Amino acid sequence: AQSVTQLDSHVSVSEGTPVLLRCNYSSSYSPSLFWYVQHPNKGLQLLLKYTSAATLVKGINGFEAEFKKSETSFHLTKPSAHMSDAAEYFCVVRGRGARQLTFGSGTQLTVLP
Amino acid sequence: DTEVTQTPKHLVMGMTNKKSLKCEQHMGHRAMYWYKQKAKKPPELMFVYSYEKLSINESVPSRFSPECPNSSLLNLHLHALQPEDSALYLCASSQVIGMMDEKLFFGSGTQLSVL
Repeated sequence: AQSVTQLDSHVSVSEGTPVLLRCNYSSSYSPSLFWYVQHPNKGLQLLLKYTSAATLVKGINGFEAEFKKSETSFHLTKPSAHMSDAAEYFCVVRGRGARQLTFGSGTQLTVLP
Repeated sequence: DTEVTQTPKHLVMGMTNKKSLKCEQHMGHRAMYWYKQKAKKPPELMFVYSYEKLSINESVPSRFSPECPNSSLLNLHLHALQPEDSALYLCASSQVIGMMDEKLFFGSGTQLSVL
């Protein structure tokens, strides 16, 4: 069985300050983990993925995430928020042998000027 | 070309209408997906096609009927829908299904309103 919990439904930051979006997962075996972003009225776009290689994963637009097995976490970070980062972010898990991806409930990121 | 194209972008239909949603990709992907997304919620998987054959049907009501005419096209036929079916319908594709690191490419979706 697999599940993912996004700990914050809403996060607000000021432009130029760091971003932290938190995600915890549960999976019977070593999972693959993903972060997707969805801008209003758009489809989802992959930011980054972890697939048992380096635990610190760099993605597009300056985002990165660190896989911590001991904490079962995969938090998404960015050193400096930009107005264009305002969107919905989904943490996604796929366990070994799982038929499909499991999406978290999403975190709405607001970036204040 | 790394795009998944969905048409129409918006659709309003009555409960007795028949309509179709269309999805197209030219990345050579052999897996295609339909997701349903309600406002402020994550996408929910409806159907998966692998090599033009229906691989996963997540117990979706029969008023939704998928079709994969070829490896580049995916349709979703709608008939006798209910107001609660109003949602954003997303199409996605990936190289194949079942890979641990499969990356999904999503279209922008069709915003469906059922009156």
